[in-house]
Amino acid sequence: NAGVTQTPKFQVLKTGQSMTLQCAQDMNHNSMYWYRQDPGMGLRLIYYSASEGTTDKGEVPNGYNVSRLNKREFSLRLESAAPSQTSVYFCASSEAAGRVAFFGQGTRLTVV
Amino acid sequence: AQTVTQSQPEMSVQEAETVTLSCTYDTSESDYYLFWYKQPPSRQMILVIRQEAYKQQNATENRFSVNFQKAAKSFSLKISDSQLGDAAMYFCAYRSPHYNQGGKLIFGQGTELSVKP
Repeated sequence: NAGVTQTPKFQVLKTGQSMTLQCAQDMNHNSMYWYRQDPGMGLRLIYYSASEGTTDKGEVPNGYNVSRLNKREFSLRLESAAPSQTSVYFCASSEAAGRVAFFGQGTRLTVV
Repeated sequence: AQTVTQSQPEMSVQEAETVTLSCTYDTSESDYYLFWYKQPPSRQMILVIRQEAYKQQNATENRFSVNFQKAAKSFSLKISDSQLGDAAMYFCAYRSPHYNQGGKLIFGQGTELSVKP
């Protein structure tokens, strides 16, 4: 089973460049999430989508946009990358509130 | 808003010994879910154990068990007979059961566990 697939796994951007992180899940989950992980701060929620057609801001949404393309796919876009967005990004999905969330393998993004 | 705190940035344990990782949380909800996730150097997030707040019995999964103290809002993880493969970052997480919360997980800062041979 593929589970949650994120692409790319690694990326280096120059300040001001844009890029989209892709995420797809094959478990027919309703809810999907984007987190960023920084040393000493755990994982912080950027945006989430409780169901297809809806998206909501999380704890740290500034500088990001998301698209829930369909039930399977949830993308994260950086319009103008900044060094403060250097981080590891995780996509996750879950079936319903309370159930276990499954994570992708993460994307290490460096903005220089 | 809910918060999760892990006050131990690093812990160390001797192989075959027992170690306890601490986690406290703050919430006004009476029903919720708590999790411990393990993150080895591969970066993969692996579910270790899950606890429903309405259950009084502490969850157990093989060598992993929790001490859930609802009134104290404490959720510690005990690892027995520690193995070298247990070395990883461990995250405590909280989840509301309410659909309008989107099932989002709120994480603590993490505890880096090292296992000495």
